[in-house]
Amino acid sequence: DTAVSQTPKYLVTQMGNDKSIKCEQNLGHDTMYWYKQDSKKFLKIMFSYNNKELIINETVPNRFSPKSPDKAHLNLHINSLELGDSAVYFCASSPSHGDVLETQYFGPGTRLLVL
Amino acid sequence: GQNIDQPTEMTATEGAIVQINCTYQTSGFNGLFWYQQHAGEAPTFLSYNVLDGLEEKGRFSSFLSRSKGYSYLLLKELQMKDSASYLCAVMDSNYQLIWGAGTKLIIKP
Repeated sequence: DTAVSQTPKYLVTQMGNDKSIKCEQNLGHDTMYWYKQDSKKFLKIMFSYNNKELIINETVPNRFSPKSPDKAHLNLHINSLELGDSAVYFCASSPSHGDVLETQYFGPGTRLLVL
Repeated sequence: GQNIDQPTEMTATEGAIVQINCTYQTSGFNGLFWYQQHAGEAPTFLSYNVLDGLEEKGRFSSFLSRSKGYSYLLLKELQMKDSASYLCAVMDSNYQLIWGAGTKLIIKP
């Protein structure tokens, strides 16, 4: 009965590979997010989807492509992985976009290490 | 540009009180959040302020002054389990959360 789940929790891969991270929320929320947390622990938003539509797309290399098959899922595909992509990637969800109270619920994170 | 400032690290003693400050400059304001993040875990929601004043929730309280662009998180009766990073985040006019880098709080016996 996990609210926001991500798979895999750990991902170790070689430079140049393509990988995907999956996220699912069972809270009935409309909005989902992907964050990157680097070695300095700074959380940076990458993408936000509201009801399967992209609403926030920060300056992220186009090697990163989010996909939302339905509002409960937001997957992140990364092409041609680079060393600098090593980080913890957090998925989060919130009830909706544009409401005053937007508490976000985070998944457990995916620790990506690119060798 | 948008900016959230908070101290990088603080140390306090078990049983004591600690105040973690956060100052912000954002394009618009739709509320300020405090999250707690234990090492290796996901951030978890602690508090939300949108009006000036103090919000109390058990041992934790959060204060906001919108005119000063300032907030603090007050932790009382510190316990060892409070050792964590505390993240300040402001929702801007686009309802996007702008995050601070977090304050690592170390509790000593």
